[in-house]
Amino acid sequence: NAGVTQTPKFQVLKTGQSMTLQCAQDMNHNSMYWYRQDPGMGLRLIYYSASEGTTDKGEVPNGYNVSRLNKREFSLRLESAAPSQTSVYFCASSESAQTYGYTFGSGTRLTVV
Amino acid sequence: RKEVEQDPGPFNVPEGATVAFNCTYSNSASQSFFWYRQDCRKEPKLLMSVYSSGNEDGRFTAQLNRASQYISLLIRDSKLSDSATYLCAVAYSSASKIIFGSGTRLSIRP
Repeated sequence: NAGVTQTPKFQVLKTGQSMTLQCAQDMNHNSMYWYRQDPGMGLRLIYYSASEGTTDKGEVPNGYNVSRLNKREFSLRLESAAPSQTSVYFCASSESAQTYGYTFGSGTRLTVV
Repeated sequence: RKEVEQDPGPFNVPEGATVAFNCTYSNSASQSFFWYRQDCRKEPKLLMSVYSSGNEDGRFTAQLNRASQYISLLIRDSKLSDSATYLCAVAYSSASKIIFGSGTRLSIRP
């Protein structure tokens, strides 16, 4: 099983450019999540989708949008990238976060110049 | 104050030593607790869940103290391969999301 697959693995954007980070899971999980990880800040929740058809803001949603395309896929869009969005982005999924925790994808390293 | 706090370290200990980390959480409604391991430039991976009665997995022991609102991770007979960042994580019963600490960096020296 592939688990959680994120694309791309690396990306460099210019300020103001847009892009979509893709995430897909093959574990039939209901819930999916987008986090960013910055040095000294830990993992911060951007958006999550507790089930297909629902999305909710996390701790740091400004500058991002998400789409839960179907049960498998959850994408994160940066409409106008800013240098402050330079980070490592992790997608995660879970059948039940409280019971099983998360399975993470391998991450996308994004640099905005 | 952060909801989940950890000593960032680094902890630098010799191979074979016993090392322990604590993690405090501020919300008493927290229901589930986890330890994750993250290697350099890799994704976090679940190390173990933390149960009220405490649990052990080989050289790793996790404990929960609800009264003082902290969880701990003990690593015995540490190996070079234990070098990593250890993240504690807390889930609330009212939400399907997890809050992570910033991580504690552990370095095992030969």
